Amino acid sequence: ELKVEQNPLFLSMQEGKNYTIYCNYSTTSDRLYWYRQDPGKSLESLFVLLSNGAVKQEGRLMASLDTKARLSTLHITAAVHDLSATYFCAVGGAQKLVFGQGTRLTINP
Amino acid sequence: DTGVSQDPRHKITKRGQNVTFRCDPISEHNRLYWYRQTLGQGPEFLTYFQNEAQLEKSRLLSDRFSAERPKGSFSTLEIQRTEQGDSAMYLCASSPPGGPPLHFGNGTRLTVT
Repeated sequence: ELKVEQNPLFLSMQEGKNYTIYCNYSTTSDRLYWYRQDPGKSLESLFVLLSNGAVKQEGRLMASLDTKARLSTLHITAAVHDLSATYFCAVGGAQKLVFGQGTRLTINP
Repeated sequence: DTGVSQDPRHKITKRGQNVTFRCDPISEHNRLYWYRQTLGQGPEFLTYFQNEAQLEKSRLLSDRFSAERPKGSFSTLEIQRTEQGDSAMYLCASSPPGGPPLHFGNGTRLTVT
């Protein structure tokens, strides 16, 4: 059974700092997805990583995938308050996705 | 693209009552998914349709839960004899024929009292 684990689960950081969220998964997969969820809202797709070594960047967020290590990272550069949200990684093939527990990110001025 | 639509947004019901939720996917998407999310957790897979065929059901989906997608368009999720443990956000998502990423609706928040 596929299991997806994120760490840390909670992250409080100051504006302007850099940090990384990690996503480990238990079985082989070459598709990994990152989502953002704001409080009380639904999930918004951020990145789709479809192969080993894939790297995607959008603004201050960069996601990468290492399928051999079964690891994805979401790197935040020079954080700003607007990035405060819960971030989920999800793993799966052409059918269902299995989600991690989420990382609640709070960025303080 | 009007997005995935779910109705109602909120539902409060008493234990033992039946509830039904509706999901309208993005029109050109043939895949439809139901997930459940409780506070502080990631979404948990419930079931998945490709067109009108229900291809997979989670073990989380007890006999009290049933989902349909009669014409391959909208879907309904019914919970019979609701229990307090059913309180959660029920999320619907859709995807095109190639599969994920999933496009999520705003969810239906169920509270069982």
